[in-house]
Amino acid sequence: DADVTQTPRNRITKTGKRIMLECSQTKGHDRMYWYRQDPGLGLRLIYYSFDVKDINKGEISDGYSVSRQAQAKFSLSLESAIPNQTALYFCATATGQETQYFGPGTRLLVL
Amino acid sequence: QKEVEQNSGPLSVPEGAIASLNCTYSDRGSQSFFWYRQYSGKSPELIMFIYSNGDKEDGRFTAQLNKASQYVSLLIRDSQPSDSATYLCAVNRGSSASKIIFGSGTRLSIRP
Repeated sequence: DADVTQTPRNRITKTGKRIMLECSQTKGHDRMYWYRQDPGLGLRLIYYSFDVKDINKGEISDGYSVSRQAQAKFSLSLESAIPNQTALYFCATATGQETQYFGPGTRLLVL
Repeated sequence: QKEVEQNSGPLSVPEGAIASLNCTYSDRGSQSFFWYRQYSGKSPELIMFIYSNGDKEDGRFTAQLNKASQYVSLLIRDSQPSDSATYLCAVNRGSSASKIIFGSGTRLSIRP
């Protein structure tokens, strides 16, 4: 079984809808992250969490929110989806040495 | 100027040759450096990390770091078609992973 899982893997939604992307991990890491990837722009950090009670904004948090329900679960919500949020979204966990382990990604299309 | 810069490529290298991928970064306080490989449609996976100036070797891969020049590179010896992918350079600007910045990646193509 994969160490970091993401659901759904693909999602099509309409402008203005609220959606949630979920991430679960079995690696036992405290640190969890949400990134988005756009062609030519690399990976950009949306939110990160170092433990259940710690949530921090990344470089592009506007329009997003997160919830750390447990050490193993970290969800990303788009409150009111817009077309420029169309992207590939990755969840990742990290060790204390900062090595990051990525989930398989969620491909999101906002119409 | 981007914080982490990579040539987007594509970089085309014949099979069996050495592929050289380069990355420059702007923050002199950066402490650790990572190379990830990403196949099309897949998630990034770690190849190597390096903290100290000099070379670090792991199998066919060698990471090179020069903090004075703010430059980190990845050499792939005996390149194989399976090495064809996008290579992402990542730089940790601080003591926590929250300050990791990724470059936009270099697309590498190994031609038979």
